[in-house]
Amino acid sequence: QQQVKQSPQSLIVQKGGISIINCAYENTAFDYFPWYQQFPGKGPALLIAIRPDVSEKKEGRFTISFNKSAKQFSLHIMDSQPGDSATYFCAASEKGTYKYIFGTGTRLKVLA
Amino acid sequence: DADVTQTPRNRITKTGKRIMLECSQTKGHDRMYWYRQDPGLGLRLIYYSFDVKDINKGEISDGYSVSRQAQAKFSLSLESAIPNQTALYFCATSDLAGPTGVEQFFGPGTRLTVL
Repeated sequence: QQQVKQSPQSLIVQKGGISIINCAYENTAFDYFPWYQQFPGKGPALLIAIRPDVSEKKEGRFTISFNKSAKQFSLHIMDSQPGDSATYFCAASEKGTYKYIFGTGTRLKVLA
Repeated sequence: DADVTQTPRNRITKTGKRIMLECSQTKGHDRMYWYRQDPGLGLRLIYYSFDVKDINKGEISDGYSVSRQAQAKFSLSLESAIPNQTALYFCATSDLAGPTGVEQFFGPGTRLTVL
């Protein structure tokens, strides 16, 4: 069963725009929520991550917003650039398991 | 040099053949994982290993087996390949002693096609 639901499946954004990808989870035991970025022909790489004790984390143009009561978290990419065109995966990990449950991925295309 | 390497990078095989995918890492990490990636399904965990003597099934282990030959090597085998095992396969590692304990580092992937 899909424990982490990710949307949208694909996203097209103009250069300079804001890209928003959403994820929802069910398991309240999850305590680590990373976002991974994958370029064609490459393996996924950690982009940014958050723990549920904070509601927002920002690293450069990338921000995670976390809503614990709604069991939702989202990735915001500000001033989106063509180089941001990639597939993005959200994930969740339950404390002590060191395993991820991944979302289904969002293919982002930023138009120049 | 890549920290996590996978061989082969591409493989085409026939139904019923046995195939092995290999993963090596120079990161010194204890934990290793095998995932498969399918369009629209994301990454799904096949097997994982927290040390040489510890092997665990993931969510989709049927039809697969693994071997942890050393801390640095973790192989995935398909004993009798079938077409629905056509996918992109990734190996990943993580560090027991890392600051978060959970960041995973992925290899470049193996694209497997079963005809």
